[in-house]
Amino acid sequence: AQTVTQSQPEMSVQEAETVTLSCTYDTSESDYYLFWYKQPPSRQMILVIRQEAYKQQNATENRFSVNFQKAAKSFSLKISDSQLGDAAMYFCAYTRYNFNKFYFGSGTKLNVKP
Amino acid sequence: EPEVTQTPSHQVTQMGQEVILRCVPISNHLYFYWYRQILGQKVEFLVSFYNNEISEKSEIFDDQFSVERPDGSNFTLKIRSTKLEDSAMYFCASSGYLNEQFFGPGTRLTVL
Repeated sequence: AQTVTQSQPEMSVQEAETVTLSCTYDTSESDYYLFWYKQPPSRQMILVIRQEAYKQQNATENRFSVNFQKAAKSFSLKISDSQLGDAAMYFCAYTRYNFNKFYFGSGTKLNVKP
Repeated sequence: EPEVTQTPSHQVTQMGQEVILRCVPISNHLYFYWYRQILGQKVEFLVSFYNNEISEKSEIFDDQFSVERPDGSNFTLKIRSTKLEDSAMYFCASSGYLNEQFFGPGTRLTVL
């Protein structure tokens, strides 16, 4: 069964600094997709970044980038130049290629200190 | 930019009552989903829907739950007889492809 693990329940970062959130997953599939979602206090789920497993290049979206290690089944999110608005819960999610159910991790609460 | 919408944003109901949560997916999407998130816990899959039928459901999605696409735009989740443990945030999502989902803002359901 597919599982997604986020081992850091809570993290803090100073404004303008860089922080990395960890995520590992378990799957026997070779094709799949990974995502990071942000959930601010409003509780809406906002897509931050996605990664296709068949792509070796790590995805990047402005200040957000991932370190995708397929062999290690690791998918970490790096936030550069952290801003106060980045404070939120961050969820890692997995979906199997050609399969439509998302598996979510338990989330990491990110605090950003001014 | 197209988005998924959900109504109401907050629903309060008495235990044993029926509730219907409504969602309007992105218009050209074909796959629809419901997830729930109990406060402080992870987001859990409930059900997926394609071509006017359920394509998959979780063990949470028992006989008390049903989904429907009554017209060309709405996608609803019905809970027939709510229990205290149904209190949660319910998210609707839609997908035009099998590998990316857009989430609505959620409906907070409170069962008293």
